[in-house]
Amino acid sequence: GAVVSQHPSWVICKSGTSVKIECRSLDFQATTMFWYRQFPKQSLMLMATSNEGSKATYEQGVEKDKFLINHASLTLSTLTVTSAHPEDSSFYICSATVDGEETQYFGPGTRLLVL
Amino acid sequence: GQSLEQPSEVTAVEGAIVQINCTYQTSGFYGLSWYQQHDGGAPTFLSYNALDGLEETGRFSSFLSRSDSYGYLLLQELQMKDSASYFCAVTDTDKLIFGTGTRLQVFP
Repeated sequence: GAVVSQHPSWVICKSGTSVKIECRSLDFQATTMFWYRQFPKQSLMLMATSNEGSKATYEQGVEKDKFLINHASLTLSTLTVTSAHPEDSSFYICSATVDGEETQYFGPGTRLLVL
Repeated sequence: GQSLEQPSEVTAVEGAIVQINCTYQTSGFYGLSWYQQHDGGAPTFLSYNALDGLEETGRFSSFLSRSDSYGYLLLQELQMKDSASYFCAVTDTDKLIFGTGTRLQVFP
């Protein structure tokens, strides 16, 4: 149980385009999902907390107009990287919690390369 | 500020025991988790300590001392497949704050 999927697993795009990444909880409902970014050989940095039916909470330094988050249902959250630039190239990982539990279950990640 | 410090790299041989330490300084604390991440993969949950003491799960054990803001992950009977990065993470209210990560290399 507690499986989280992400789509796509990797994406290559041109600078200036927008990219949407989906995060789904497959066998449970997730009121809260989290979006992380990880650069090579670095730790996971929390970008934002996605709450179903309400606005996401962004961490300090994360541009909410650039990284659009939508959590329209209890099983789906999306992250859209708008007007992507090469410095946005990174590994984007989502996670979700089962209500009442502390453990976060991570998706397999999406590798983004912006040319 | 908030920080979780870990050694950057640890090496060991198959069958050995290794301990990965984590010291933390966070504004809030609800518990300490450990995650394993293989190259190119996503983190997978290993253990969680909310209270002081030792938690054992198979070959892996995790320890927490809240008074010392310190914890460690103990890996026994090391196998080649244990070569990965290991992250401690503090649950601070409703979010996880990850440590700097420790790369473990297991040699035959």
